[in-house]
Amino acid sequence: AQTVTQSQPEMSVQEAETVTLSCTYDTSENNYYLFWYKQPPSRQMILVIRQEAYKQQNATENRFSVNFQKAAKSFSLKISDSQLGDTAMYFCAFMKRTGGTSYGKLTFGQGTILTVHP
Amino acid sequence: NAGVMQNPRHLVRRRGQEARLRCSPMKGHSHVYWYRQLPEEGLKFMVYLQKENIIDESGMPKERFSAEFPKEGPSILRIQQVVRGDSAAYFCASSLNQGNTEAFFGQGTRLTVV
Repeated sequence: AQTVTQSQPEMSVQEAETVTLSCTYDTSENNYYLFWYKQPPSRQMILVIRQEAYKQQNATENRFSVNFQKAAKSFSLKISDSQLGDTAMYFCAFMKRTGGTSYGKLTFGQGTILTVHP
Repeated sequence: NAGVMQNPRHLVRRRGQEARLRCSPMKGHSHVYWYRQLPEEGLKFMVYLQKENIIDESGMPKERFSAEFPKEGPSILRIQQVVRGDSAAYFCASSLNQGNTEAFFGQGTRLTVV
């Protein structure tokens, strides 16, 4: 079974600054995907960024980038130029890549509440 | 193209009643996942369904909970004889096929048991 741990229950950052959210995971799988999801107060789960474990290059989506360290099983999210709209709960998630019944099933961390201050 | 639609958004039930939560996946999506989010926690997988089939129900409580995804109509998560501990937000996600890693989430149904 997989586990995902987010050790920072809450983080805060000033508008326009950079913040990094931490995530570690434990798995015996070699092929998998990692995700960061954002959940604003509306409760809508929004995919922020996705990383394929077999790719060494870190994924980047505009102001969002990850630092993926496969050997250390670490997957942190960096948000640059933080905006007020980034205020939300952020979840790190894991998905196995192999076929079978577990395919597509996400295992989530506990979440980190990020507050961006003006 | 409408996203994943869940209804109702909010549902209040008295202890012992039944709760029925509905999820209409995105158009063309035939894979549905249900997750439960307890207060201050992350989402926990409950069940994975394809049309007319339950593929993985390893996260479903053994009693009182059931799910279906009929050939026609939305997926239904049914909770019988609700208890206070069932109070949570229930999310549905859908994907196009088993090989697609991007799951699209609905806005969830917040169930409150009084």
